[in-house]
Amino acid sequence: DVKVTQSSRYLVKRTGEKVFLECVQDMDHENMFWYRQDPGLGLRLIYFSYDVKMKEKGDIPEGYSVSREKKERFSLILESASTNQTSMYLCAGRNRGNPNEAFFGQGTRLTVV
Amino acid sequence: AQSVAQPEDQVNVAEGNPLTVKCTYSVSGNPYLFWYVQYPNRGLQFLLKYITGDNLVKGSYGFEAEFNKSQTSFHLKKPSALVSDSALYFCAVRVSNFGNEKLTFGTGTRLTIIP
Repeated sequence: DVKVTQSSRYLVKRTGEKVFLECVQDMDHENMFWYRQDPGLGLRLIYFSYDVKMKEKGDIPEGYSVSREKKERFSLILESASTNQTSMYLCAGRNRGNPNEAFFGQGTRLTVV
Repeated sequence: AQSVAQPEDQVNVAEGNPLTVKCTYSVSGNPYLFWYVQYPNRGLQFLLKYITGDNLVKGSYGFEAEFNKSQTSFHLKKPSALVSDSALYFCAVRVSNFGNEKLTFGTGTRLTIIP
């Protein structure tokens, strides 16, 4: 079975903290993605990576950064967490170049207080 | 720019009745279209996709979707709804160009099946 695993299901952090959300996939996928999901807004792409050490901004990258040092791991970083970053965060992986579906992790619900 | 519209935030259907969840898209080029489902406190699960060929595609759990190029639509359908189909459904689109990897989602439709 393909697997995308996010390290935490629930996180509570304080305003101003540096926050790391970790995602690991075992499918040898080139592409990995970070989305945030908010009611009424659907899924919005924050960042994606198409190879190790490669990254591209998505639709809402402000306040976030990412790291991909190894193919299987894609980290989302909130440099200084703010309350408007309270959300559900979803990681996904997919093979590049084919019309394949993306596989999603179970999500991390982050609350910034 | 590519976009997806799901015009209904909420759809209610009686158990046993047919259901339709609507989706329209906008892309420059040929689309790859996807439907995903999300159950409470879970990630997204893939249901089905349209790549090319037959306009009617079949997916998991008895769902199917019809691609209509002239109407730029990709509506999700099921002949007979089950209570267990109650969930949040997302339509997504990507252009079929190698190198453009961005998958754009709609805002989601909450489907409630009434016993």
